[in-house]
Amino acid sequence: DAGVTQSPTHLIKTRGQHVTLRCSPISGHKSVSWYQQVLGQGPQFIFQYYEKEERGRGNFPDRFSARQFPNYSSELNVNALLLGDSALYLCASSLLSGDSPLHFGNGTRLTVT
Amino acid sequence: QKEVEQNSGPLSVPEGAIASLNCTYSDRGSQSFFWYRQYSGKSPELIMFIYSNGDKEDGRFTAQLNKASQYVSLLIRDSQPSDSATYLCAVPLSGGYNKLIFGAGTRLAVHP
Repeated sequence: DAGVTQSPTHLIKTRGQHVTLRCSPISGHKSVSWYQQVLGQGPQFIFQYYEKEERGRGNFPDRFSARQFPNYSSELNVNALLLGDSALYLCASSLLSGDSPLHFGNGTRLTVT
Repeated sequence: QKEVEQNSGPLSVPEGAIASLNCTYSDRGSQSFFWYRQYSGKSPELIMFIYSNGDKEDGRFTAQLNKASQYVSLLIRDSQPSDSATYLCAVPLSGGYNKLIFGAGTRLAVHP
């Protein structure tokens, strides 16, 4: 079975632009979570979606938004990019919303110049 | 606000030795704890999960939880160069295991 897949793997954007990151969960997994990992830090929780509904939001500005589609794939959108948004964006899926461990994708490396 | 603290390292151990990685957490109500391994340039990989006081063993890995002292540790026996990675400790933010708070990670270097 394929793991969590994310696209693109790398992305370079300019300040003020908008970016869309995509994630396909493991087959059968209904929950998708997004994390931001800045170099030298642990991942920081951004959003969780389960059955197409937002189940949690971390301490990120409204420039960050996400959605989940009927096939359980997900998009993370970031508007008005700042230099500080440069990071590895990780998508993780799990079987359920509650007590199921997270399985991470390989991430999208976003560089904002 | 929940916090998870780890020594950033690097922790350097010789091949075959025991590596001991520690993590402290601020929320006394935390019930579950995760250890993830992250190789450079790769995504985190779950290696251990513990929710009861005491030890949990899985192969060369042992997780130790002490809720009274609010720390959780990871022991790696017979360390191998392939164990060289960053080890992340995480606790659930609330309501399930999808919203995790991670520590900054401890970088482990196992030298031959």
